[in-house]
Amino acid sequence: GAVVSQHPSRVICKSGTSVKIECRSLDFQATTMFWYRQFPKKSLMLMATSNEGSKATYEQGVEKDKFLINHASLTLSTLTVTSAHPEDSSFYICSARGAAGGSISNTGELFFGEGSRLTVL
Amino acid sequence: DAKTTQPPSMDCAEGRAANLPCNHSTISGNEYVYWYRQIHSQGPQYIIHGLKNNETNEMASLIITEDRKSSTLILPHATLRDTAVYYCIVKPFSGYSTLTFGKGTMLLVSP
Repeated sequence: GAVVSQHPSRVICKSGTSVKIECRSLDFQATTMFWYRQFPKKSLMLMATSNEGSKATYEQGVEKDKFLINHASLTLSTLTVTSAHPEDSSFYICSARGAAGGSISNTGELFFGEGSRLTVL
Repeated sequence: DAKTTQPPSMDCAEGRAANLPCNHSTISGNEYVYWYRQIHSQGPQYIIHGLKNNETNEMASLIITEDRKSSTLILPHATLRDTAVYYCIVKPFSGYSTLTFGKGTMLLVSP
């Protein structure tokens, strides 16, 4: 199946610093990528939807100035947690959908990255 | 809000079939049933999806009732590595909709 890779898989940072997480589609072009957050023993919660070349759409309650999303190419989206605080510690997961007419058949399925665990001290 | 209902947890003996139920009584005509699973500290993994016919792939089988109000995911020979949270999700086949995750079923496969 298609591969989506996230980096870093784990990051520990000090409170007040910014952290960037990358999400790459390795063998297909992704016009749309989604960012989720998952707290311990909870389900995944959608944070935002990003489309290549346009601004991200954020879910209600997600601060767009705090969680900066950039989707500058068809294979890369980044999530930057700005001025991170301990309550931002979470498991961040991206997913990607293939471009229409691309090599990935449109089954409607999404491909997920391995996740990035952020710990803010 | 998730449109599906799943039992919070299930147990299964290694080598036996695991049958995971899902209720989706308000499913719309254009919505498919998708199953994903999430092994601890990993991203979700696609398993299978279907509209109204039963489906089978190398991972699992999906049985959808005739009225489409419920379905069952079957892992024919569960292994310890199948221990995970299994999510049943309904959504339109294409378009710009994403996946809305409910609480899923925690499947524990024991030796």
